[in-house]
Amino acid sequence: EVRLVESGGRLVKPGGSLRLSCAASGFSFSSYSMNWVRQAPGKGLEWVSYISSSSSYIHYGDSVRGRFTISRDNDKNSLNLQMNSLRVEDTGVYYCATPGPDNWNDLGYWGQGTLVTVSS
Amino acid sequence: EIVLTQSPPTLSLSPGERATLSCRASQSVSNYLAWYQQKPGQAPRLLIYDASNRATDIPARFSGSGSGTEFTLTISSLAPEDFAVYYCQQRSDWPLTFGGGTKVEIK
Repeated sequence: EVRLVESGGRLVKPGGSLRLSCAASGFSFSSYSMNWVRQAPGKGLEWVSYISSSSSYIHYGDSVRGRFTISRDNDKNSLNLQMNSLRVEDTGVYYCATPGPDNWNDLGYWGQGTLVTVSS
Repeated sequence: EIVLTQSPPTLSLSPGERATLSCRASQSVSNYLAWYQQKPGQAPRLLIYDASNRATDIPARFSGSGSGTEFTLTISSLAPEDFAVYYCQQRSDWPLTFGGGTKVEIK
């Protein structure tokens, strides 16, 4: 069974930093790309970042580029998101997601999310 | 970036009725469009990929159509568990983008 478990969300002040993690199990983690998607309270989904299976390709959304850094450790089956210079508008639930089982592209598996609150 | 516009924002229907949800892209995304369902307090669930392919374990009452800039998600006969928010998402170009969502509510 594919399992994605996010952690690291908490209350942080504007300008602060936070590191989110996603522990993966039940599939060949090193073969799959990974994504972070977030959702502000009561709002829609916003894609945040992508990393390819070998970390060769990385992409960011415009609102986080230069502040967030995605990384992965294929030996530990883990995905990370280092979030710096946090803003109030970064508040929301952060999901990690990966393709499968039908194709290599669309987000077929999601974690349950971790809540990040940026507030003074 | 490619902007996806979903309509209507809210759809009020009764169980058993047909639901038709629209997603329009600001430029062609070919068939690289997916649909997701999200219920309160839950993560999104993939319903349709590549515009018209049902994901694993998705009931046949869900169908997708379209290509280029105009896409439709149809639920042929609404079951009680189908009342939720639906999002389209394109993977034609970076950044990946989602539409604003359509809420299907009980009339």
